This record gives sequence, C-alpha cells and structure tokens, in this order.
Amino acid sequence: AQKITQTQPGMFVQEKEAVTLDCTYDTSDPSYGLFWYKQPSSGEMIFLIYQGSYDQQNATEGRYSLNFQKARKSANLVISASQLGDSAMYFCAMREAKLGANNLFFGTGTRLTVIP
Amino acid sequence: ETGVTQTPRHLVMGMTNKKSLKCEQHLGHNAMYWYKQSAKKPLELMFVYSLEERVENNSVPSRFSPECPNSSHLFLHLHTLQPEDSALYLCASSQESQGLAKNIQYFGAGTRLSVL
Repeated sequence: AQKITQTQPGMFVQEKEAVTLDCTYDTSDPSYGLFWYKQPSSGEMIFLIYQGSYDQQNATEGRYSLNFQKARKSANLVISASQLGDSAMYFCAMREAKLGANNLFFGTGTRLTVIP
Repeated sequence: ETGVTQTPRHLVMGMTNKKSLKCEQHLGHNAMYWYKQSAKKPLELMFVYSLEERVENNSVPSRFSPECPNSSHLFLHLHTLQPEDSALYLCASSQESQGLAKNIQYFGAGTRLSVL
C-alpha cells in the first residue's frame, strides 16, 4: 500500500495568491514525522517544513504552513503569497520512528506553476 | 546551498563503461543515503550508511556498488549499466538519533545520468 499519496499531479496558482498542496499518509506507528520538500528544475531537494505526530500545533516556516489533520491522516502544505520562484515540484514524505533511518517514504509529487 | 555536494552534475555513459558518482557533506552528519529518482515514480532509496556502516540495501542490482570511506564522503560506483538506469541520482545526509522521527535529510543537487 502507498505510504504517501499526493493526488494532484499539477497545480496552478496566481502570483500573490495562496495555494494548498494535498498529502495523505498511511501508518500504524503512533510516532512519525511528516516532511515537505521542494525540487526546482535544478534538481536539488530543498527541505521546507516538518510536522511531528505529537506536535499540538500546525508547523509554520515563513510562507509555508502545514495543515495537519491527524484523524484524517492528511498533511497539506499551504503556501501563502505565492512567488514566481515557488514554481517547482513539491514532495510530501513520512518517516516512522520505529523503523529508523532507512524509511523516509516519498509521494509522487505535485508540480506547482505560479502564473504572473 | 544545503551543505551536500554531488559531482558530476551530468553524466553520459555507455553500457560497458565504469564510472563513479561522488557525494560530500559538510554538515557533520552521521548518515548518508543514495536515492534514485525516475520520471513519475517516488524516490527510491538505494543505500543507507549510518556511522559508515551500510545498514540498508533495498535489493539494488549489483551493477551499483556503494562506498563510504568516512562519514563525509559517499560514492556510487557504476558498471555495465542498462538504459533503464538512466535517472537522477540524489545523495542525502542526516544526523540520526535512535527512534526519533524528526531526523531531517538534506539533499544534494543530484547527478543526472544517461545510459546509452
């Protein structure tokens, strides 16, 4: 079964608007972490934001926030005030604490295009 | 700049060639990873080294051979590859703590490999 599901292959957003990228996950481990990465056309995977399963509040990092709904097993990324430089692939990933270093599971990604 | 450097950025090789990919991390981390990224597929974990010991080999063909001489350097030796091995190869590093989900992996920009 897929550990991470990203159902939006592509998204468009107007510059300066907010956009939500969807991510759902599947795990039976009570301790896990959720990550979002950005991959521009240059190829580098850039870490954006982290949410722990026991964190009480939604994570925020500048213009990025994570809408964490534990009961629904969703961890959507919200980008506010979109900029042209936000155009890239975005990947959601999960790590389960019990299995250790080798189990960062990635989704298939969402390509975001910011329209001027 | 994430502190993880990969060389070369691009590589074209024939099926009978032998080449090596190099990764160097300047973050003082104790774990390093090789991932393969093919079009429209999730990132595939190939190898994990923790404290310079290989702890994971996800059934990767023997034509891929990793080497981790110290905690800062990681190599991927390639020989007799197939055209389907053409992909972006990403290196990552992290500071691993037992059972902790938040160990963030930092990635290099990748080597784009084409096998002719």
